Amino acid sequence: GAVVSQHPSWVICKSGTSVKIECRSLDFQATTMFWYRQFPKQSLMLMATSNEGSKATYEQGVEKDKFLINHASLTLSTLTVTSAHPEDSSFYICSARVGAREYLRYGYTFGSGTRLTVV
Amino acid sequence: QQPVQSPQAVILREGEDAVINCSSSKALYSVHWYRQKHGEAPVFLMILLKGGEQKGHEKISASFNEKKQQSSLYLTASQLSYSGTYFCGTLRPGGGATNKLIFGTGTLLAVQP
Repeated sequence: GAVVSQHPSWVICKSGTSVKIECRSLDFQATTMFWYRQFPKQSLMLMATSNEGSKATYEQGVEKDKFLINHASLTLSTLTVTSAHPEDSSFYICSARVGAREYLRYGYTFGSGTRLTVV
Repeated sequence: QQPVQSPQAVILREGEDAVINCSSSKALYSVHWYRQKHGEAPVFLMILLKGGEQKGHEKISASFNEKKQQSSLYLTASQLSYSGTYFCGTLRPGGGATNKLIFGTGTLLAVQP
């Protein structure tokens, strides 16, 4: 299989606090993981690319100091939303590409997503 | 720049057919298709790697016209379970060893009994 586990599924936090979201590849190693954000009725927008052992690369317009990404191992990437505000409320999803042998079967596989609500 | 999909939304009766189009202003080197149910993660449908390629599984198939930078997804004899938002995706060079997947604008498909 090609399973990506994401936690938590949902989180409600107060404005000004930080929230950490974890993404784990369970049965394959992922040197690269991707983080997306999706607002209601919109497409998935790529926020950043998480690289194991090196700095993340961020898409244009995404604040790197606000969305901290750590890719500590070949199976774990974390996204921390710092000093969250109500406008950060969204659906955050991580993704990874499986190995070449299974690529045509699984493509880019996704975590189940985290619904963040900032109050 | 993300690929543009058409139509934005479509409503079908069970058993009807639908076509979803994906068009890119930049070169398409491969095309991915995904379906997303509300509140869930996208589910992989298929990848087309080469221009002229056509592929399908059961009643969902797709084609890829590399020269026109377009792809189409065909749903025949639609079922209630086909409802959801369909996204095409294209790869762009990433910051690491893996290309990044850029999603299209999406097409909402609703199949009614």
